[in-house]
Amino acid sequence: RKEVEQDPGPFNVPEGATVAFNCTYSNSASQSFFWYRQDCRKEPKLLMSVYSSGNEDGRFTAQLNRASQYISLLIRDSKLSDSATYLCVVMPGGYNKLIFGAGTRLAVHP
Amino acid sequence: SAVISQKPSRDICQRGTSLTIQCQVDSQVTMMFWYRQQPGQSLTLIATANQGSEATYESGFVIDKFPISRPNLTFSTLTVSNMSPEDSSIYLCSYPRAPTETQYFGPGTRLLVL
Repeated sequence: RKEVEQDPGPFNVPEGATVAFNCTYSNSASQSFFWYRQDCRKEPKLLMSVYSSGNEDGRFTAQLNRASQYISLLIRDSKLSDSATYLCVVMPGGYNKLIFGAGTRLAVHP
Repeated sequence: SAVISQKPSRDICQRGTSLTIQCQVDSQVTMMFWYRQQPGQSLTLIATANQGSEATYESGFVIDKFPISRPNLTFSTLTVSNMSPEDSSIYLCSYPRAPTETQYFGPGTRLLVL
């Protein structure tokens, strides 16, 4: 079993749609969680951290369920510019080591 | 956050040769990391580059294949030795702003081994 699992997609959605990505992780002792965005041929960039209480940043909402070892990302009112690969990332603890999921591809069309 | 750069941005190399990738951060950072992203795959941590001591390698990666230097708090190099086509990947360096924070990535080095 992979340490961090994501549905690879692609998710093809029209502009304005709401889309949700899910991610599960295997290490119950994991400390921190993040969503990164990676555009084609670019480096990953931090989109948002994920907190136990859930957090929102504009059109983006992240949720964490520690009991189920499950992380989600909700994107509302999708824009063409949201088209990218979204990487679920887990920090198991300790010294900053990051474990990346394989990523979920999103394609937003007009 | 600090600006992080890598050189070269891309290269095409012959099998059996070695390539050294440089990573420069414009402020002092305690830890730097090297990742590999193979075609169509996600990122895999190669090693942690520690200033003043040997790098710490992840399972499946060895110093003879991927020697790393960290001569100061702003610079690191990763060498891909005795390359084969399977080494064709994007190699990325990263750093965390603080020990418990997540990481920021350089633009990556695209390597193609023929």
